[in-house]
Amino acid sequence: GAVVSQHPSWVICKSGTSVKIECRSLDFQATTMFWYRQFPKQSLMLMATSNEGSKATYEQGVEKDKFLINHASLTLSTLTVTSAHPEDSSFYICSASYRADSPLHFGNGTRLTVT
Amino acid sequence: TQLLEQSPQFLSIQEGENLTVYCNSSSVFSSLQWYRQEPGEGPVLLVTVVTGGEVKKLKRLTFQFGDARKDSSLHITAAQPGDTGLYLCAGVKGSTLTFGKGTMLLVSP
Repeated sequence: GAVVSQHPSWVICKSGTSVKIECRSLDFQATTMFWYRQFPKQSLMLMATSNEGSKATYEQGVEKDKFLINHASLTLSTLTVTSAHPEDSSFYICSASYRADSPLHFGNGTRLTVT
Repeated sequence: TQLLEQSPQFLSIQEGENLTVYCNSSSVFSSLQWYRQEPGEGPVLLVTVVTGGEVKKLKRLTFQFGDARKDSSLHITAAQPGDTGLYLCAGVKGSTLTFGKGTMLLVSP
């Protein structure tokens, strides 16, 4: 079946540094990928929609300059948390679909801890 | 704003008990999905319901889509510790997926 791989699965970084998270679709081409943020025991909050070859669409309240999204190929989208601060610590999850009406496949998430 | 209200938010039960989780909205969705997420992992799709009034069964889990396609329920019969996790409903409208706040289920032996 379709698999979405996220890397790294966890990362600890110092405040002020930047962290890049990769999301790869392993056996299908994903024209659209989604990035979510999840706090403990809470639901997924959509941060942005990443479209291959074009700019990402950010949800209201999500800082575009802080959460940089790049979707340069049909199998890879990256989320870069720039100048990370402790309040950015969270679980970040990506998902991908082959097309708009096909099921979403989720990565296993990245636990980011900013010290 | 398309909001999905899930209830209860947290449920702690003993093994063997039955439970129902509800997902309600004022919006109509083309379909509704249920996911289960375990700690430190991404959500895993359990089922998609598409037709109003549709009922789907997955072993001890029964999913129902409301007639008006605005609400759904998940019923678990004879819950087991392995059912523990965060259950999320998600409404599909076009290319948009809206998640409910989730129900954290803890099944104790």
